[in-house]
Amino acid sequence: KAGVTQTPRYLIKTRGQQVTLSCSPISGHRSVSWYQQTPGQGLQFLFEYFSETQRNKGNFPGRFSGRQFSNSRSEMNVSTLELGDSALYLCASSLVMTGANNEQFFGPGTRLTVL
Amino acid sequence: GQQLNQSPQSMFIQEGEDVSMNCTSSSIFNTWLWYKQDPGEGPVLLIALYKAGELTSNGRLTAQFGITRKDSFLNISASIPSDVGIYFCAGFPYAGNNRKLIWGLGTSLAVNP
Repeated sequence: KAGVTQTPRYLIKTRGQQVTLSCSPISGHRSVSWYQQTPGQGLQFLFEYFSETQRNKGNFPGRFSGRQFSNSRSEMNVSTLELGDSALYLCASSLVMTGANNEQFFGPGTRLTVL
Repeated sequence: GQQLNQSPQSMFIQEGEDVSMNCTSSSIFNTWLWYKQDPGEGPVLLIALYKAGELTSNGRLTAQFGITRKDSFLNISASIPSDVGIYFCAGFPYAGNNRKLIWGLGTSLAVNP
């Protein structure tokens, strides 16, 4: 069974640009969550999608958005990039919505560098 | 955002030694999770704890859900080189939006063969 895949693995952008990251969950998983990982802040929850609807949201500005397609694949978009957006963006999938007794499986992440 | 207090921040040990790390919170959690992240990979779940006082093992790893529900511990016995990586604690708070997983900043483990 294939794991969670994320594309691209590495990305370099400049300030002011926008970027779209993609995540394909494990087959049969309907929930996709996105996290931002930085050395200083650790893993910070961005949002969760389930059945094409955003079900939960972290404390990030509106420049960060996402969507989920009918096949459960998800994309996240960051507009007007800032230097502080440089991070590893992780996607996690689970069978149903995140909660106790429901394991999340993580992809390898997309390393975004903003110059 | 909210974070868990995880310590130590880093450890450098000799192969064969035992390792202990812990995670604390000022509020009650109803689930504690321990993950390991290898370079270039996403975190992988090692142990999940769901009840206060629960002690769970996974091979050489043992984790405990603190009685106060505000802390958790992870022990690794007889460390080997492949134990190298970053270990994260995470949990679901008892109160509030308990669908948001809260994370510690990680313990970086280095093992000297």
